[in-house]
Amino acid sequence: RKEVEQDPGPFNVPEGATVAFNCTYSNSASQSFFWYRQDCRKEPKLLMSVYSSGNEDGRFTAQLNRASQYISLLIRDSKLSDSATYLCAMNGNFNKFYFGSGTKLNVKP
Amino acid sequence: DAMVIQNPRYQVTQFGKPVTLSCSQTLNHNVMYWYQQKSSQAPKLLFHYYDKDFNNEADTPDNFQSRRPNTSFCFLDIRSPGLGDAAMYLCATSSRVQETQYFGPGTRLLVL
Repeated sequence: RKEVEQDPGPFNVPEGATVAFNCTYSNSASQSFFWYRQDCRKEPKLLMSVYSSGNEDGRFTAQLNRASQYISLLIRDSKLSDSATYLCAMNGNFNKFYFGSGTKLNVKP
Repeated sequence: DAMVIQNPRYQVTQFGKPVTLSCSQTLNHNVMYWYQQKSSQAPKLLFHYYDKDFNNEADTPDNFQSRRPNTSFCFLDIRSPGLGDAAMYLCATSSRVQETQYFGPGTRLLVL
């Protein structure tokens, strides 16, 4: 079983839509969780950290559900510029750090 | 601006010809990482340094080596690149292992 799993998508949504992605993880001991955004042929860039209490930054909301072992990212009022691949990441045992393979989002006019 | 810099951005090499990729950082972070990322896949951690303490992932091929001569610089050496080593190589840094990682722009390696 993979440490981190994401639906690869693509999620095709119209501008203005609300879209949500989940990322499941297998290591219940994981403490640090993140969402990164990666544009085509570019490096991942930190979008937001995910705290136990949730985290909101403008149109973006991240949540952590420890009981079900997943994190989520909600994007409201999608913009064309939100089109990208969204990677989740988290720490594991023995100082390891794991990335998901990403969920591709296409926002269409 | 504080940042993570990778050189070169694009590298073309021949099958079996050694290549070195470099990474430098002005963030003064303790931890530096090297990842390999292939199309539509997750970044795959090759190794990381916590200060001078080198940590190799168990499935990183022996063909890949790394050096960190000082806090600011880290190098990835691919001793005998194969066609399967063509990928984006990403360097990242963090202040501690469990903290946010900041990525450089990557080096795209092509093996002919």
